[in-house]
Amino acid sequence: GIQVEQSPPDLILQEGANSTLRCNFSDSVNNLQWFHQNPWGQLINLFYIPSGTKQNGRLSATTVATERYSLLYISSSQTTDSGVYFCAVEQRDSSYKLIFGSGTRLLVRP
Amino acid sequence: GAVVSQHPSRVICKSGTSVKIECRSLDFQATTMFWYRQFPKQSLMLMATSNEGSKATYEQGVEKDKFLINHASLTLSTLTVTSAHPEDSSFYICSAHGGEGEAFFGQGTRLTVV
Repeated sequence: GIQVEQSPPDLILQEGANSTLRCNFSDSVNNLQWFHQNPWGQLINLFYIPSGTKQNGRLSATTVATERYSLLYISSSQTTDSGVYFCAVEQRDSSYKLIFGSGTRLLVRP
Repeated sequence: GAVVSQHPSRVICKSGTSVKIECRSLDFQATTMFWYRQFPKQSLMLMATSNEGSKATYEQGVEKDKFLINHASLTLSTLTVTSAHPEDSSFYICSAHGGEGEAFFGQGTRLTVV
C-alpha cells in the first residue's frame, strides 16, 4: 500500500518563528489533507489540497502531486499552534479511505 | 465545513462489557463513514469502512466480531466494542466526507477498559 512519511517528527519553535512541515507519499493520490490534532484529540481541518497552493491566515500549503510531496508552512508561530500535524492521503481507487502519516509534533514556546 | 458529531467523548467500562460509540453527520448525508483507532503518541489507523445499508468493510487484522459496525441511516454509524478488554483501550474517531470529498472528523472517543 501507499506509504506516507512526514518530517520532522518533532519540532520545537520559539514563538514568532516560521516553520515548514513536509509530507512525502509513495504513489499517486486523489486527495491530500492537512490536519492539526489539538490536545483533546480533535482533528482540525487545515487544508484540502490535492494539488496547488492554498493560504489561510498564517498557514499555507503546497502540494506538488507529480513529485509526490506536500508542504505546510506556519508563519509567526503562536503557542496555540502546538500539537500534532498530520497529513493524510486518499490513494487512487480507494473510495475516500485516508492513509495518515506519522505526524509532526510541534511545540511552540512563549 | 461539514459537521460530524461523535458520542460519547469519554467512556470507562469494565472488562467483558460492550461499549457503543455513535457517529453522526449533522448537516449532510453520508453513505460511507470511516472508523479509525489511535494509540497514544501514534498515528490514526483505519479500522473499517461503514456502508449505509450494507455490511462494513474491515481492514486487514481488524476483528469484525470484536468491532461491530452498523450504519442504519444516512446520518448515523455506530461502532460497538464487544467484550472489551484492557488492550481495547484507545482513542476511536470517525469520519465522513462532504460533497467535494473533504474528510471531516468527529471529536473522538477515549475508551478505557478497566
